[in-house]
Amino acid sequence: GAVVSQHPSWVICKSGTSVKIECRSLDFQATTMFWYRQFPKQSLMLMATSNEGSKATYEQGVEKDKFLINHASLTLSTLTVTSAHPEDSSFYICSASRTGRVYEQYFGPGTRLTVT
Amino acid sequence: QQQVKQSPQSLIVQKGGISIINCAYENTAFDYFPWYQQFPGKGPALLIAIRPDVSEKKEGRFTISFNKSAKQFSLHIMDSQPGDSATYFCAASPWAAGNKLTFGGGTRVLVKP
Repeated sequence: GAVVSQHPSWVICKSGTSVKIECRSLDFQATTMFWYRQFPKQSLMLMATSNEGSKATYEQGVEKDKFLINHASLTLSTLTVTSAHPEDSSFYICSASRTGRVYEQYFGPGTRLTVT
Repeated sequence: QQQVKQSPQSLIVQKGGISIINCAYENTAFDYFPWYQQFPGKGPALLIAIRPDVSEKKEGRFTISFNKSAKQFSLHIMDSQPGDSATYFCAASPWAAGNKLTFGGGTRVLVKP
């Protein structure tokens, strides 16, 4: 149990375009979902926390107008990178905490974004 | 400010040996300490976690040791196997709803056959 999926697994987009990444909890309801960014050979950097039906809470230094997060249901959160630039190229990973066991985070497989 | 310091950055161990990774934290509000395993190009997978009410937790070949007074915790991988070659992250969070994990810098473990 506690499976989290992400779609797409990798995406290439042109500079200036927007790209949406989906994060789904497949077999549980996610009270909270988190979005991370990871650069090669580095640790995970938390970008934002989202709760179903609420506005996301962004970490300091993360542009909320650039990284739009929507948590429309207890099983789906989306991250939209708007007006992407090459420096946005990274590995984006979501995680989810399930109702009743909010201290445990289960991670998705990640999405590799390359902006050309 | 790095609130969770992890060492070493990399580790090479022979098959059958013991891998030991250490983490130290500063925030006394931290109350939950998980370890994650990550393979290249994949998301982290929860390995094992501990809370401060116990000093040790074992699951299979993985053991967490916890020292609350020293604000340190460690992961021991017994009988290391080539398939254990991965990056390991320690993390910490308050025990609360909407908890945010603070990750250590990661340790790349290579198990040589």
